[in-house]
Amino acid sequence: GNSVTQMEGPVTLSEEAFLTINCTYTATGYPSLFWYVQYPGEGLQLLLKATKADDKGSNKGFEATYRKETTSFHLEKGSVQVSDSAVYFCALREKGTGTASKLTFGTGTRLQVTL
Amino acid sequence: DTAVSQTPKYLVTQMGNDKSIKCEQNLGHDTMYWYKQDSKKFLKIMFSYNNKELIINETVPNRFSPKSPDKAHLNLHINSLELGDSAVYFCASSPMLGVGNTIYFGEGSWLTVV
Repeated sequence: GNSVTQMEGPVTLSEEAFLTINCTYTATGYPSLFWYVQYPGEGLQLLLKATKADDKGSNKGFEATYRKETTSFHLEKGSVQVSDSAVYFCALREKGTGTASKLTFGTGTRLQVTL
Repeated sequence: DTAVSQTPKYLVTQMGNDKSIKCEQNLGHDTMYWYKQDSKKFLKIMFSYNNKELIINETVPNRFSPKSPDKAHLNLHINSLELGDSAVYFCASSPMLGVGNTIYFGEGSWLTVV
């Protein structure tokens, strides 16, 4: 079956540091890949996505490139801010039987950014 | 103008009670979902409906019963609540076709069973 593996957190960084959160996946077909973010006490928001190999998703200074050869979709940001403190979820979506198509999530990585 | 809205946001109830969580989306999407997030933040799909038809039903106790009166609404009813049902429940929606389509989530309903 499909699965997503993320690096375990928490990840603690100082403001303006470089961020990488690793994500690898296992899928039988050609999934689309997503990063969602959950700020404290809030719901899930889409951060970025990529729908085919070598696509780069980007938003709010975050980037991730769909690497089919390494089955990875690592999240990066050049300079984090305190306001980026949240839980980040990597997810994939692959076509199921009929029209069934669900998101499979990784376990989430908590990011804490300090001054 | 919230895209996916669910109520209540917080719910504290006793074991054995029956409760419902309501969800509505105004995005015109055909597909709606319920996801459960446990205390370790792990997210797992429970159900998916497409145009009021059940299309995904993961291994969920039959105490959980989704109901979709129309394609803009997907409510979750839980019978005989147990302590282990304490979690955050997220409603979501997406256009029907296309794995590249984004799934949009509501703000979550924090359920605590005491």
